[in-house]
Amino acid sequence: SQQGEEDPQALSIQEGENATMNCSYKTSINNLQWYRQNSGRGLVHLILIRSNEREKHSGRLRVTLDTSKKSSSLLITASRAADTASYFCATVKYNFNKFYFGSGTKLNVKP
Amino acid sequence: EAGVTQFPSHSVIEKGQTVTLRCDPISGHDNLYWYRRVMGKEIKFLLHFVKESKQDESGMPNNRFLAERTGGTYSTLKVQPAELEDSGVYFCASSPLSLRDRDTSGANVLTFGAGSRLTVL
Repeated sequence: SQQGEEDPQALSIQEGENATMNCSYKTSINNLQWYRQNSGRGLVHLILIRSNEREKHSGRLRVTLDTSKKSSSLLITASRAADTASYFCATVKYNFNKFYFGSGTKLNVKP
Repeated sequence: EAGVTQFPSHSVIEKGQTVTLRCDPISGHDNLYWYRRVMGKEIKFLLHFVKESKQDESGMPNNRFLAERTGGTYSTLKVQPAELEDSGVYFCASSPLSLRDRDTSGANVLTFGAGSRLTVL
């Protein structure tokens, strides 16, 4: 399977704490993207990191990528109740416009 | 700008019946994808259109599934006859083909619809 796999499957934290989710994948990629899905809604793109990048920031989000270990992590700092959602990583192969998703991490941020 | 629209949002049918799901992508998006998520498992790729052509349909489960995209605009996904294991949420996503319309890094990102939940009894 080429898809990314997130862990943990579920994560429950208090508001204000940091949340870290991991993604592992098996094949070479062009870029890796993180998406969020609120219950009953579609997935929303959060952040993209290219294969030649190691770290990217966007607001309270920090993404790292280790291509040697074929893994990525998403850190949400100072979490809020509104961050409660499922988070998915998508691996994207070069020039194929193919996006592969995992099972997601279900994050619950308690107020 | 309207987003990706999917219809119906929820469909309940009996085994053996037929269901047709529709997806209206963002206007001008030539890439259109169908995905399915079953009971909290992975979001599984079904197929990919570029305009009206099927670029990749390797994820389609079997010949009970038929996807079309006539004219390269909206797409339909028909399941006939439906089986119990077809239950799940079917997502449609679109993205631009033109490099000019991509994000600042030149990479493509997907815009998803809210999904069509299919329940087969």
